[in-house]
Amino acid sequence: KNQVEQSPQSLIILEGKNCTLQCNYTVSPFSNLRWYKQDTGRGPVSLTIMTFSENTKSNGRYTATLDADTKQSSLHITASQLSDSASYICVVRSSGGYQKVTFGTGTKLQVIP
Amino acid sequence: GAVVSQHPSWVICKSGTSVKIECRSLDFQATTMFWYRQFPKQSLMLMATSNEGSKATYEQGVEKDKFLINHASLTLSTLTVTSAHPEDSSFYICSAGSRGRDNSPLHFGNGTRLTVT
Repeated sequence: KNQVEQSPQSLIILEGKNCTLQCNYTVSPFSNLRWYKQDTGRGPVSLTIMTFSENTKSNGRYTATLDADTKQSSLHITASQLSDSASYICVVRSSGGYQKVTFGTGTKLQVIP
Repeated sequence: GAVVSQHPSWVICKSGTSVKIECRSLDFQATTMFWYRQFPKQSLMLMATSNEGSKATYEQGVEKDKFLINHASLTLSTLTVTSAHPEDSSFYICSAGSRGRDNSPLHFGNGTRLTVT
């Protein structure tokens, strides 16, 4: 069964600090992995996408990594800001058929002053 | 960028009534739409997947007769919560994608907060 697990479940950090969120998956066959940010009361917004051949990709202060061998991904946030407070969801898409999408349980990040 | 419009953004209804939520893709053809439910402080829970022109596929534990999904066109899907009860109060979100566009993101609506009194 395809699964996506994220850790930690929740995280509180001080403004300006860095943090790393983890995503482990068992989706097969793998097509791509995407990190989404969901602000409270809003729909998720895509931050970055990782395909099989990509190891690292940055989007501003967000850097995602992918290890396709161990089926792990991380999202590193640098110099956190209060506006980074949100839920971060890892979503893995499998290839073939209707491209099944599996959602992670999310990590709720709170950045405090 | 691609936009998904979800309407209404919030609704309050009485127990026993039905509520319809619309999800529209504004500038692309959404061959697949997903419907989710999200309880406070929890992650998205996929309820069902619908492909244009065919019946929706429901996740285990989701009652298809209670949550009616229609995806009659490439730009519109609707979720109808029938005979709503207070326990159906939740945040409902849709997302849309296109078949064959593996690397394109899912585009999410901004959600509908349903309160059943």
